[in-house]
Amino acid sequence: GENVEQHPSTLSVQEGDSAVIKCTYSDSASNYFPWYKQELGKGPQLIIDIRSNVGEKKDQRIAVTLNKTAKHFSLHITETQPEDSAVYFCAGPRESSASKIIFGSGTRLSIRP
Amino acid sequence: DVKVTQSSRYLVKRTGEKVFLECVQDMDHENMFWYRQDPGLGLRLIYFSYDVKMKEKGDIPEGYSVSREKKERFSLILESASTNQTSMYLCASSAPDRSTEAFFGQGTRLTVV
Repeated sequence: GENVEQHPSTLSVQEGDSAVIKCTYSDSASNYFPWYKQELGKGPQLIIDIRSNVGEKKDQRIAVTLNKTAKHFSLHITETQPEDSAVYFCAGPRESSASKIIFGSGTRLSIRP
Repeated sequence: DVKVTQSSRYLVKRTGEKVFLECVQDMDHENMFWYRQDPGLGLRLIYFSYDVKMKEKGDIPEGYSVSREKKERFSLILESASTNQTSMYLCASSAPDRSTEAFFGQGTRLTVV
C-alpha cells in the first residue's frame, strides 16, 4: 500500500491568505522530504525540500516543516498569489526500495481573486 | 539546463495497437521512472529502472512493459492498448541516492480509442 498520504485533495484560499498541505509517511528511515508543484500542462517540479536534520526550511513565501516524531511534513504558502494555483505533491522513498520515489495523491490549490 | 524529454505531448491510438512512449534524459541519471497520472489518483508508479537493462515493477505494471537499452533512454510499451490506458504518462529521472530530486518530462497525454 501507499507509504505517503496527502491532505487535503483540494484547497481553495483567498488571494493573500495562507495555504497548508500536509503529508504523513510510514518509513521511519526517511530522511528527505520534497514538495513538487505541477502547473497546467507541465510535469511536476521540485519547489522545496527538507532533510531530517532540520525542522523547518523557508524559501521566500514557501516553507516546509517536519515533525519526525509524528511522521508528517507540511507545505506552507504565505501571501498566496494567482500563480500559486497548481497541483502540489509530496514525495518519499518507498519502504521496500531505496531508490523508488512515490508521491502523495496531490492537492489541487486554487487561489480566489 | 537539465532536461527530461518525452517524445510526444499528445498521442491518439486505437485499441489493440502496440504503443511506444519514449523518454530521454541528459543528466546521466541511473534511475528512471514511468508514472501514470489520473484525476484523484495522483502519480502512480508503473515501472522503475535503476540501471541499463535493469527494471522493477511499480504499483500498476499490468498491461505495460519497459525497455532500457541505454542509460539515457527509458521506453514504456503498451503491448495492446486498451481504453483504460487513456491517461497522462510522466517520465522522470533521478540520481541513485534516495534523498534526491526527481526531474520530470512534460508528459504525454495518451488517448486510446
